[in-house]
Amino acid sequence: SQTIHQWPATLVQPVGSPLSLECTVEGTSNPNLYWYRQAAGRGLQLLFYSIGIGQISSEVPQNLSASRPQDRQFILSSKKLLLSDSGFYLCAWSVGQGSYNEQFFGPGTRLTVL
Amino acid sequence: AQSVTQPDIHITVSEGASLELRCNYSYGATPYLFWYVQSPGQGLQLLLKYFSGDTLVQGIKGFEAEFKRSQSSFNLRKPSVHWSDAAEYFCAVGGNTGGFKTIFGAGTRLFVKA
Repeated sequence: SQTIHQWPATLVQPVGSPLSLECTVEGTSNPNLYWYRQAAGRGLQLLFYSIGIGQISSEVPQNLSASRPQDRQFILSSKKLLLSDSGFYLCAWSVGQGSYNEQFFGPGTRLTVL
Repeated sequence: AQSVTQPDIHITVSEGASLELRCNYSYGATPYLFWYVQSPGQGLQLLLKYFSGDTLVQGIKGFEAEFKRSQSSFNLRKPSVHWSDAAEYFCAVGGNTGGFKTIFGAGTRLFVKA
């Protein structure tokens, strides 16, 4: 069966520090991968998605970046965190050549920037 | 433009009462419709999905949803709410054209009172 892992589960970082969040998927090949952010009391904001190794689409201009070094690994990074980067970060995967299949979400990372 | 509207930011129902969460969508092709649920501090879980066929779809945890093309709606229902249903609910639309992005609504938070 397929599983998705995210770590860390919780992170508290000072403003200006770097960030690296990792997401890995098991049990499937060539998944579509997604990073979302939820600010407090708000909906899902799509940040990045990837349909293959090294292929990253950015949805929102910001100080975050994403990379996909391996088929089932998706990394969210920042060189310098801002207060506004606080939120709940969710990784998700799907299969197929479109958005017609369901997405499977990880447990999320709660990021607090102080 | 593609969009999903969930008009109710939050809803409060009594335990045992019926529930209906509203969802309207705008999509330029054949829509694939989803309802997800998110418990506090968790990832999203798929409740049900509609692709084609019978417009009344059954999901997990006793939920169902009805697709009404003429109204561009996909409302979620449950005949009797349990306290454990308190969560946030997201309606979403995707398709096999227009790329890999699923469009999510802003969510409806459900509160259940004893």
